Amino acid sequence: ILNVEQSPQSLHVQEGDSTNFTCSFPSSNFYALHWYRWETAKSPEALFVMTLNGDEKKKGRISATLNTKEGYSYLYIKGSQPEDSATYLCAGFRGAQKLVFGQGTRLTINP
Amino acid sequence: DTAVSQTPKYLVTQMGNDKSIKCEQNLGHDTMYWYKQDSKKFLKIMFSYNNKELIINETVPNRFSPKSPDKAHLNLHINSLELGDSAVYFCASSQDREPGGSPLHFGNGTRLTVT
Repeated sequence: ILNVEQSPQSLHVQEGDSTNFTCSFPSSNFYALHWYRWETAKSPEALFVMTLNGDEKKKGRISATLNTKEGYSYLYIKGSQPEDSATYLCAGFRGAQKLVFGQGTRLTINP
Repeated sequence: DTAVSQTPKYLVTQMGNDKSIKCEQNLGHDTMYWYKQDSKKFLKIMFSYNNKELIINETVPNRFSPKSPDKAHLNLHINSLELGDSAVYFCASSQDREPGGSPLHFGNGTRLTVT
């Protein structure tokens, strides 16, 4: 069974500060890790798909790293802005066509 | 242009009724999915289809039946609705048969309320 866990469940950050949160997954038979951004009243939107150990991806002020040997990925947001407020989901893929989602980290940026 | 669209956005119905949720994608993707957002806000896979072929059928009641008339459409039909079916249902699509290397594109969700 693939369990994907995210921490913290919620996070409040002051505008302008940088922040990061974690996605943990079983390291055995790992195939891929996805990160999604989910704004209220919208649909989840893909940020990154990562497959290689040590991979680092960046999109604007958001970046992610992947450690498949120890089973974790970090998502970093630099210089948080109010529009970064959203729930950030990670999802692990380990075969059998199933992408398993974590519960998400709800990020609130305080102006 | 909406990439993955599902209708209706809201669906309120009584117990025992039969209802359908429709999903269409115009991305040319081969694989489509139905996810259910459970009471703890997790997105749980229900079904996936690749080119009209069922490839994932999770442990959901057989009152739920997906139908894929072509690879751009995946509809969800629910018979004899129960109170516990109330949830938000998301349709999604991806380029690849397996969601390893390609991201999912989600619809906006259908909030089903069973009274």
